[in-house]
Amino acid sequence: DTGVSQDPRHKITKRGQNVTFRCDPISEHNRLYWYRQTLGQGPEFLTYFQNEAQLEKSRLLSDRFSAERPKGSFSTLEIQRTEQGDSAMYLCASSLPPRLAGKRDTQYFGPGTRLTVL
Amino acid sequence: DAKTTQPPSMDCAEGRAANLPCNHSTISGNEYVYWYRQIHSQGPQYIIHGLKNNETNEMASLIITEDRKSSTLILPHATLRDTAVYYCIVRLVGNKLVFGAGTILRVKS
Repeated sequence: DTGVSQDPRHKITKRGQNVTFRCDPISEHNRLYWYRQTLGQGPEFLTYFQNEAQLEKSRLLSDRFSAERPKGSFSTLEIQRTEQGDSAMYLCASSLPPRLAGKRDTQYFGPGTRLTVL
Repeated sequence: DAKTTQPPSMDCAEGRAANLPCNHSTISGNEYVYWYRQIHSQGPQYIIHGLKNNETNEMASLIITEDRKSSTLILPHATLRDTAVYYCIVRLVGNKLVFGAGTILRVKS
């Protein structure tokens, strides 16, 4: 069973550097979501794609953040000029579109990428 | 903001049923109740969801009150591996998930 995969699992960077994370969704899922989770909090929504189209972005997604899903399969999340406040777990999830999912409409999460900004 | 209220923590003895409550008094007619859990340092794991009727799967049972203002997740025979943060979420089909703080369940031997 191939679930959602994320790479890298851990990333340590210095403040001001750029970082890029990758998410590979479950193969037949055309929806892909990014969430961020800081210590002691529940995950917070950042953005989501349906195929290659980015349909919603949270206000949490500042100008330094950009997400892409160029071919409607894997997605990347880039953070430019990282700040210490960006330290968090970045989670990716995928799902079927509601019209296909029916009763199985749910999001499946990857293991996350833990970012530490020094 | 999350539309659910959960107790911050609960303890359960290993082998006993764990009953996790959730209040969602402002739930609308077409919103589903979802439960996820998150074991330390892992991504959230889907458990179960329902609209009106009670639901059961291999992991848990979901009991939704008739007025749909609250629900209970039941883990019938809790094990140490069920120690996790449990999130109750109300959601329209196809929408993003809005997580609250969840309930920390500690299963003790």
